[in-house]
Amino acid sequence: AQSVSQHNHHVILSEAASLELGCNYSYGGTVNLFWYVQYPGQHLQLLLKYFSGDPLVKGIKGFEAEFIKSKFSFNLRKPSVQWSDTAEYFCAVRPVFGNEKLTFGTGTRLTIIP
Amino acid sequence: KAGVTQTPRYLIKTRGQQVTLSCSPISGHRSVSWYQQTPGQGLQFLFEYFSETQRNKGNFPGRFSGRQFSNSRSEMNVSTLELGDSALYLCASSSAFGAGVGSYEQYFGPGTRLTVT
Repeated sequence: AQSVSQHNHHVILSEAASLELGCNYSYGGTVNLFWYVQYPGQHLQLLLKYFSGDPLVKGIKGFEAEFIKSKFSFNLRKPSVQWSDTAEYFCAVRPVFGNEKLTFGTGTRLTIIP
Repeated sequence: KAGVTQTPRYLIKTRGQQVTLSCSPISGHRSVSWYQQTPGQGLQFLFEYFSETQRNKGNFPGRFSGRQFSNSRSEMNVSTLELGDSALYLCASSSAFGAGVGSYEQYFGPGTRLTVT
C-alpha cells in the first residue's frame, strides 16, 4: 500500500519569504499527486494536482509543485508567501491503477508572520 | 453548482451511543469518500463508495460502517462510540471512480465535528 510523508509538521515564515514544503511518497507504480490546503475554519480545497506530462505544475494563489519521480517527491513551493497563506497543507497520492484509495500525509501547519 | 454538504455540522454524543452522519455530494458526482481528521494524524481514510457499492475500506474497526443511496447521497454510522472517535469527519465527492489518470480529484465538504464525552 502507498504512504505519504510530510516531514515538516509546523513551519513559521515571515511575509515575503520563500516556501518549500516537502512531500515524499512510497509506491512503485504510476500515481496521481495532489496538494490540498485547509485555511482556518474553511473546507479542505485543492491547491494543485499532477496527473501526467510536465512535472512542474502550477496551482492557485501562486503555488507550484514539482514531481521528481526518481526521488518519489512532490514538493510544494511559493516564491513569496503572504499572511493569508497561513493554513494547513496536505499532500496526497493515489495510484492510477488498481482502484486504490487516496492517501494523505499528516499535514504541515504553515504560520506566516506579518 | 452547490458544493458537498454534510449534516449535522456539530454533534455531541456520549460514550456507548451511536451516530449517523450524512453527506450529499456535488450534483452529478457518483463517488463519495469519508475521512476522519484528527490533530497530528491528518486524514485517515474510512470508506469509498461508487454506485451504491463500497469500493475501498480503511483500517477502522467494524463499529464504523457506511452506505450510499441510489441518489449518491451517503451516510456513515459509528456504533458504540468511544472517546477516541472524537474528530472531524469529512466527506468528499468526485465525478468518477476507477483506474485512469485524472479521475480522482475530490471535493470536500465542511465536515461534521463529533465530540464524544
